[in-house]
Amino acid sequence: DGGITQSPKYLFRKEGQNVTLSCEQNLNHDAMYWYRQDPGQGLRLIYYSQIVNDFQKGDIAEGYSVSREKKESFPLTVTSAQKNPTAFYLCATTLTSGTDTQYFGPGTRLTVL
Amino acid sequence: QKEVEQNSGPLSVPEGAIASLNCTYSDRVSQSFFWYRQYSGKSPELIMSIYSNGDKEDGRFTAQLNKASQYVSLLIRDSQPSDSATYLCAVGGYGGSQGNLIFGKGTKLSVKP
Repeated sequence: DGGITQSPKYLFRKEGQNVTLSCEQNLNHDAMYWYRQDPGQGLRLIYYSQIVNDFQKGDIAEGYSVSREKKESFPLTVTSAQKNPTAFYLCATTLTSGTDTQYFGPGTRLTVL
Repeated sequence: QKEVEQNSGPLSVPEGAIASLNCTYSDRVSQSFFWYRQYSGKSPELIMSIYSNGDKEDGRFTAQLNKASQYVSLLIRDSQPSDSATYLCAVGGYGGSQGNLIFGKGTKLSVKP
């Protein structure tokens, strides 16, 4: 069963906690992306990675961190420095870094208590 | 600042009618254009991609691109209640950032039985 998986589906965070969102893909895609979506807003790019062991900041990277140690995995950590983390987080992939057809995982909804 | 603009709607059409969704973009060097459908609480799914001026048809969906006017549209023929969703326009192909897309905020479509 090929595709992009994100876990957990729902996540609750207390103030001051760091949390890590998982994104795994078995499509053998090179590039992976993290977006944040707020109600009534478009998708905003947090981080992206075009190749293993390399990643770039997107438009709203502050308060977030990522790693890309394996081709199939691109976890996102939401740190306590992110002041308003409640949002829907989406992971996407593209076949190569030179192609731009993005496919999305099911998303993680993060709520700060 | 690269921008993608969409009318937020809601756009309401009767079942069986043609729904017309519009999108304008600011950067003339854009090369690739995408329409995604997003049901409430779900992740975006790709409907259409278009790269050349003119029309591209896929079933009940037709994407139209006019690069001179920096305008892309999506027509949905024989609209069904199951087409009720938010439709996201995305633009890519910027030099130096292959793979990255700029998303509009989406147009909410409601198809009334």
